[in-house]
Amino acid sequence: SQTIHQWPATLVQPVGSPLSLECTVEGTSNPNLYWYRQAAGRGLQLLFYSVGIGQISSEVPQNLSASRPQDRQFILSSKKLLLSDSGFYLCAWSDQGAGGYTFGSGTRLTVV
Amino acid sequence: GENVEQHPSTLSVQEGDSAVIKCTYSDSASNYFPWYKQELGKGPQLIIDIRSNVGEKKDQRIAVTLNKTAKHFSLHITETQPEDSAVYFCASNSNSGYALNFGKGTSLLVTP
Repeated sequence: SQTIHQWPATLVQPVGSPLSLECTVEGTSNPNLYWYRQAAGRGLQLLFYSVGIGQISSEVPQNLSASRPQDRQFILSSKKLLLSDSGFYLCAWSDQGAGGYTFGSGTRLTVV
Repeated sequence: GENVEQHPSTLSVQEGDSAVIKCTYSDSASNYFPWYKQELGKGPQLIIDIRSNVGEKKDQRIAVTLNKTAKHFSLHITETQPEDSAVYFCASNSNSGYALNFGKGTSLLVTP
């Protein structure tokens, strides 16, 4: 069966520090991968999605970036965090084509 | 881009009553409409979905209806239980076919 792993679960980082969140998927090949952010009490905002290795589409311009170095690995990064980057970050995967997502357990990021 | 409106933002029902959450979408090309349940501190989980070739789908106490002409779809939960309390998100696929656009969520509270 397919599983998705996302870590760390919580993270407290100072303003201006770098960020690296990692997500891996097991049990499937060539998945679509997604990063979403959820601000407190609000909906899900699509940040990046990827349909293959090295293919990244950005939905929202900001100081975050994403990379897909391997088929089942998706990384969210920042060189310098802002206070406004605080939130709940969710990784998800889906099969190729239109279909439902499976979400990871999320990372609670607090920038102080 | 695709816009998904979700109502109500909060809903309180008594145990055993029914709950209905409604969503509208703007892109007539959308053809996939999932619903997710998110418990506190966790990632959203897919509970039911519907594709545009059907008008209704049911899974035990949960049902989803779709009206493509009016561009709206609804989640119906019957015989609600306290464990149904959570935030529910509707979504539809975008014109890219890959990414999902989410509504802002409905916080459902089922009181004993």
